[in-house]
Amino acid sequence: KAGVTQTPRYLIKTRGQQVTLSCSPISGHRSVSWYQQTPGQGLQFLFEYFSETQRNKGNFPGRFSGRQFSNSRSEMNVSTLELGDSALYLCASSLVGGGRAFFGQGTRLTVV
Amino acid sequence: TQLLEQSPQFLSIQEGENLTVYCNSSSVFSSLQWYRQEPGEGPVLLVTVVTGGEVKKLKRLTFQFGDARKDSSLHITAAQTGDTGLYLCAGGPSNTGKLIFGQGTTLQVKP
Repeated sequence: KAGVTQTPRYLIKTRGQQVTLSCSPISGHRSVSWYQQTPGQGLQFLFEYFSETQRNKGNFPGRFSGRQFSNSRSEMNVSTLELGDSALYLCASSLVGGGRAFFGQGTRLTVV
Repeated sequence: TQLLEQSPQFLSIQEGENLTVYCNSSSVFSSLQWYRQEPGEGPVLLVTVVTGGEVKKLKRLTFQFGDARKDSSLHITAAQTGDTGLYLCAGGPSNTGKLIFGQGTTLQVKP
């Protein structure tokens, strides 16, 4: 069974630009969650999508958004990038949420 | 708001030593997970504990869930250099994909 796949692995963007990250969950998993990981703040929950609907949202500004498609693949978008958005963005999938979540390798975003 | 506090934040030990990492909260969790993460990679799930008082063993790693389901510990016996990494505990509301993570424990095992 293939694991969680995130693309791209690395990304360099300029302040003010926008970026879209992609996540393909494990086959059959319907819950996809996104996290931001930085050295100072650790792993912070961004949002969760389940059956194409946002089910939970963390404390991030509206510049961070996401969506989920009918095949459970998910994308997250960050608009008007700031230097502080530089981080490892991780996607996790689980069957229906609650407990065993499996993470992708992450996308390393650098904003310059 | 549910919070998880991990201790210690950093641990540097010699190969062969034992160690324990703690994960504490003032809130009750329906389950807690332990992950291990290597630099530049995503966290890898080690174990999920769901029952208060539960003890799970994974080779040299022993995981405990507190009776009140507010805390957990990870004990490593005879650490090896391959155990080096960031250890994270996580938990969240049941039936959702939202996980709250502890700050993590960076473990360095020296040969």
